Amino acid sequence: EPEVTQTPSHQVTQMGQEVILRCVPISNHLYFYWYRQILGQKVEFLVSFYNNEISEKSEIFDDQFSVERPDGSNFTLKIRSTKLEDSAMYFCASSETGLRGQPQHFGDGTRLSIL
Amino acid sequence: KQEVTQIPAALSVPEGENLVLNCSFTDSAIYNLQWFRQDPGKGLTSLLLIQSSQREQTSGRLNASLDKSSGRSTLYIAASQPGDSATYLCAVRNSGGSNYKLTFGKGTLLTVNP
Repeated sequence: EPEVTQTPSHQVTQMGQEVILRCVPISNHLYFYWYRQILGQKVEFLVSFYNNEISEKSEIFDDQFSVERPDGSNFTLKIRSTKLEDSAMYFCASSETGLRGQPQHFGDGTRLSIL
Repeated sequence: KQEVTQIPAALSVPEGENLVLNCSFTDSAIYNLQWFRQDPGKGLTSLLLIQSSQREQTSGRLNASLDKSSGRSTLYIAASQPGDSATYLCAVRNSGGSNYKLTFGKGTLLTVNP
């Protein structure tokens, strides 16, 4: 069964450094998402992306965050200057379309640890 | 603002028991509700998606129901097995505008004892 893949599985970065998290969505999917889960807390929406544009973003997704689809297969989340509170599990998801009946499929996540 | 609550936070049952997990949401204007399973340190596996016009969905031993007007969903697991042990999350997608995001509950940690 097709799946969303994320790399790396664990990223350790010094505070203030830039980090790029990578995702390969399911191949025929057109909508892409990033979520995060701080340890012990709920999964939170960050951003959705379609047709090379952000379609929706949350308050968490400030100027320190950006997303990009650099080629036909990858979808990336960049955090420009990491803070301690950015430590979390980051999940990429994709859906075939943005229609209401379509489920979002999630990857296994990247655990980001900021030191 | 949509809020999703899951009760109980944790549940421990003996193998073979039937069980129900509960999810409630404050804003009934939703497109759909999705149930996920999360194993420790892993991603989210989609189990069932119920559209707002549906009352229930079934997949194997799992049955999810939706009462949109009262803001409730239940996930029924029949004949539980130790392999069902995981955290179960529900998430809703609000209707209207350009809403794509899922709003999640905190989950129910299920332990099925052999």
